[in-house]
Amino acid sequence: EAQVTQNPRYLITVTGKKLTVTCSQNMNHEYMSWYRQDPGLGLRQIYYSMNVEVTDKGDVPEGYKVSRKEKRNFPLILESPSPNQTSLYFCASSSPGLNTQYFGPGTRLTVL
Amino acid sequence: ILNVEQSPQSLHVQEGDSTNFTCSFPSSNFYALHWYRWETAKSPEALFVMTLNGDEKKKGRISATLNTKEGYSYLYIKGSQPEDSATYLCALPLYNQGGKLIFGQGTELSVKP
Repeated sequence: EAQVTQNPRYLITVTGKKLTVTCSQNMNHEYMSWYRQDPGLGLRQIYYSMNVEVTDKGDVPEGYKVSRKEKRNFPLILESPSPNQTSLYFCASSSPGLNTQYFGPGTRLTVL
Repeated sequence: ILNVEQSPQSLHVQEGDSTNFTCSFPSSNFYALHWYRWETAKSPEALFVMTLNGDEKKKGRISATLNTKEGYSYLYIKGSQPEDSATYLCALPLYNQGGKLIFGQGTELSVKP
């Protein structure tokens, strides 16, 4: 089954404790992205990647890091999480051209 | 800064009503527009990808039109059903900027039986 998976689905952590949210896709897509969703603000792109070792900032990259060492994986790293990073996070993958996004199930993160 | 605007922000209709909402975007450098449907506790799913001025797409009772010259797209739902309740998002992939997309804030539709 073609899918994008994210782990964990739910996470409660404390300020400053480094965490990684994993994302994997099995559709051989070149592009992958991370979004956060906050009430009243819609989906905002954090980082995106056009291929292995090629990443670029989206609209809200501050406080986040990403890496793309393999085509299928695109982890999101929060080196020192803060309460304003409490949000719902989605990973997505797509192909070049029309760039239709295929979303993962989401990760709800709470930073205390 | 590019802006994608959706209106209204929320909409409450009765079962059987037909409804429509709008996505507005900058018309310069346009090459595609996406519509997504996002049900509560699920992930957004693509409804339509539109590229040509005057394009009209249809999936069941849902259809969309596109005007790239004036920078807007309409999404129509004919005879709304409770299962149509969701947030409808439009997104603009950016020309020559790889995987970058700008999403609108969404229109939250609630259909009461």
